[in-house]
Amino acid sequence: GDSVTQMEGPVTLSEEAFLTINCTYTATGYPSLFWYVQYPGEGLQLLLKATKADDKGSNKGFEATYRKETTSFHLEKGSVQVSDSAVYFCALFDSGAGSYQLTFGKGTKLSVIP
Amino acid sequence: DVKVTQSSRYLVKRTGEKVFLECVQDMDHENMFWYRQDPGLGLRLIYFSYDVKMKEKGDIPEGYSVSREKKERFSLILESASTNQTSMYLCASSSGTGDSPLHFGNGTRLTVT
Repeated sequence: GDSVTQMEGPVTLSEEAFLTINCTYTATGYPSLFWYVQYPGEGLQLLLKATKADDKGSNKGFEATYRKETTSFHLEKGSVQVSDSAVYFCALFDSGAGSYQLTFGKGTKLSVIP
Repeated sequence: DVKVTQSSRYLVKRTGEKVFLECVQDMDHENMFWYRQDPGLGLRLIYFSYDVKMKEKGDIPEGYSVSREKKERFSLILESASTNQTSMYLCASSSGTGDSPLHFGNGTRLTVT
């Protein structure tokens, strides 16, 4: 079946540091890939998405590139802020699996300190 | 902006009680979902619905049931609450196909004592 593996946290960075959160996936078809973010006390919200190989999703200074050859969708940001402290979830939707549901990774908690 | 509202932010129930978690969305979305979120386990899908009166089991449906009598409302029911159902419950909705973005509520933290 489909699966998503993301780096375990927690990750602690100083403000303005470079961020990478690794995400790899396995899927039977050609999935769409997503990053969701959960700020403290809130539900998840979509951060960015990519629907085909070599697409780059971007939002709020975050970027991720759909790499089919390495089955990866790593999240990056050049300079993190304290307000980026949150839990980040990588997810995929595989239309070939005949389902309506997303497959989520287990989440990576990011803490940014001033 | 899509709004998904969960009726309670915190809930404390006793073992054996019947528990109702309510979720309402205001964007006429076809699809609605119930997840539970636990530390180290991420999000796990309990049930979802792609139309009124339709429901499908997710990955962990045991001990739960759902009801969708109206398009905007999706209820999660714990028939007889147990301590291992203590968790954060998240409702979500989406339109159309599965790669449409999910819109989540803020969650209900349920404690069963």
